[in-house]
Amino acid sequence: QKEVEQNSGPLSVPEGAIASLNCTYSDRVSQSFFWYRQYSGKSPELIMSIYSNGDKEDGRFTAQLNKASQYVSLLIRDSQPSDSATYLCAVGPMNRDDKIIFGKGTRLHILP
Amino acid sequence: EAGVAQSPRYKIIEKRQSVAFWCNPISGHATLYWYQQILGQGPKLLIQFQNNGVVDDSQLPKDRFSAERLKGVDSTLKIQPAKLEDSAVYLCASSLGRGGNEKLFFGSGTQLSVL
Repeated sequence: QKEVEQNSGPLSVPEGAIASLNCTYSDRVSQSFFWYRQYSGKSPELIMSIYSNGDKEDGRFTAQLNKASQYVSLLIRDSQPSDSATYLCAVGPMNRDDKIIFGKGTRLHILP
Repeated sequence: EAGVAQSPRYKIIEKRQSVAFWCNPISGHATLYWYQQILGQGPKLLIQFQNNGVVDDSQLPKDRFSAERLKGVDSTLKIQPAKLEDSAVYLCASSLGRGGNEKLFFGSGTQLSVL
């Protein structure tokens, strides 16, 4: 059973600080890694994707991937109240016939 | 560019009744997905279509759920009869291609309450 694990939170971070969200996955040969943001009552929206080991930066967001440790993280710098949401980690398989697996999500709350 | 369209937005039914959801993906997207998201959980794939063929329906409760994607464009998901545990948000998503590296675009979802 392929799994994606996330701490459900809530994670409370002061405004302006760095929020760090973590995700581990069980399928060692996974190839693609995604972070989706889901506001309460809304649908998920892709904010970051990463495919290679290391860091990928996009504005205030940085995704970090360590395939050896089967670990992917999302850093949000200069956290804003608008970043308060649930962040879903999703992992894509190597086999194109296998499905993308979502974690349960981490609730992030930015304290004004 | 229009996004993924879903309807209805909300639905309340009693157990043992039937319900249907509709989805129209982004134009040109070959792959369409139906996900079930129970409160506090991540989305769980129910069925994946590639054009009008089924790629994965391993987690679809086939005794009560059915889905079709005629002509490879829009899709319907049906539940008959509904159970209390079917209360969830049903999300439709689409992607340009097929495979684990595809970025998914989600519709607004249908919130189903089974009483």
